[in-house]
Amino acid sequence: AQTVTQSQPEMSVQEAETVTLSCTYDTSESDYYLFWYKQPPSRQMILVIRQEAYKQQNATENRFSVNFQKAAKSFSLKISDSQLGDAAMYFCAYRAPGNTPLVFGKGTRLSVIA
Amino acid sequence: NAGVTQTPKFQVLKTGQSMTLQCAQDMNHNSMYWYRQDPGMGLRLIYYSASEGTTDKGEVPNGYNVSRLNKREFSLRLESAAPSQTSVYFCASRRGEEAEAFFGQGTRLTVV
Repeated sequence: AQTVTQSQPEMSVQEAETVTLSCTYDTSESDYYLFWYKQPPSRQMILVIRQEAYKQQNATENRFSVNFQKAAKSFSLKISDSQLGDAAMYFCAYRAPGNTPLVFGKGTRLSVIA
Repeated sequence: NAGVTQTPKFQVLKTGQSMTLQCAQDMNHNSMYWYRQDPGMGLRLIYYSASEGTTDKGEVPNGYNVSRLNKREFSLRLESAAPSQTSVYFCASRRGEEAEAFFGQGTRLTVV
């Protein structure tokens, strides 16, 4: 079974600084999808960024970017110019090809210090 | 657009009581999912329905049953609630293989 590991239960960052959240996963598939979700105190699950494994180029969405290392099975999220509104739980998730469900990591709670 | 709607948003049950969590999506999505979220555990899959008429167990199905009533609705039933089922429950849906998943607002369930 696929597993997703987030080794940092909690992280903090100063406002306007950059922070990187780590994620590793285990799979025997060659094609798959990876995601980062943000969960603010409202509890809503918000998709931040997605990466298809067949794409070599790292995905970016404004201040959010990933470092996808397929051989190392690593998928880290970098948040640049951190803002107070970035404070949330962040979940890394994996999905195998086909009509399969998401597998989540345990999450990283990010605090942003003004 | 409503997206994925879960009812209720909050519920307190006594041990042994039963209840059904409702989930409906208006996006014509094929796949629907039920997850539970516990502190330090992330989201764990309870059951999912890849298409109307099919359901499959996830990682933590014990103590739960599901019904895919039609393409729009996917309900989760607790027949005899236990304190270990105290959690936040999320329903999600997805159109197809390439699409992203959309989540409901969650149901906070407390079993006393």
